[in-house]
Amino acid sequence: AQKITQTQPGMFVQEKEAVTLDCTYDTSDPSYGLFWYKQPSSGEMIFLIYQGSYDQQNATEGRYSLNFQKARKSANLVISASQLGDSAMYFCAMRDVLITQGGSEKLVFGKGTKLTVNP
Amino acid sequence: EAGVAQSPRYKIIEKRQSVAFWCNPISGHATLYWYQQILGQGPKLLIQFQNNGVVDDSQLPKDRFSAERLKGVDSTLKIQPAKLEDSAVYLCASSLVSGEAYEQYFGPGTRLTVT
Repeated sequence: AQKITQTQPGMFVQEKEAVTLDCTYDTSDPSYGLFWYKQPSSGEMIFLIYQGSYDQQNATEGRYSLNFQKARKSANLVISASQLGDSAMYFCAMRDVLITQGGSEKLVFGKGTKLTVNP
Repeated sequence: EAGVAQSPRYKIIEKRQSVAFWCNPISGHATLYWYQQILGQGPKLLIQFQNNGVVDDSQLPKDRFSAERLKGVDSTLKIQPAKLEDSAVYLCASSLVSGEAYEQYFGPGTRLTVT
């Protein structure tokens, strides 16, 4: 079964600086997908970025980039030029496909990292 | 495009009472998920529907939780009777199809407090 580990319960960053949120994963599947979601205090999970295991390049979406190191099984999220609105919980997740259950595809989440951006 | 709608946003009940949550996914999304997010943890899948059929309910406590998705559109999650440990945020998500990089779109969640 897939497992996601986020070792940073909380991170602090100054506005306009870059920050890296760590994520390591464990899977025996050769093909997998990794996601990052943002959860502000309002509670909604907002999709940020996706990395497929066979993607040749690291994924980027605006100020978000994913530092994907396959050999180390890590998929760290890098946020450049932090903004006050980036303060939120950030979750790393992996797609877990269960062929025996008719192709169930759930997301397995880590425990999250609380990011606080200071002015 | 309207997002995933959930109601109510907040609910407080006493243990042993029953409660129901409603979710309306994004129009045209075939797959619907219910997740439970306990404070301090990431969401955990309770049940996944593909149209109106159940694909995965392996982590649903079936002695007290039930869910249905009639006509393959909106869905209801019920807890009867509730326990203190059911206090959590219940998130509904939908996706266009299962597979590959199709991300799941989440609703605002229902925060349940059981006293």
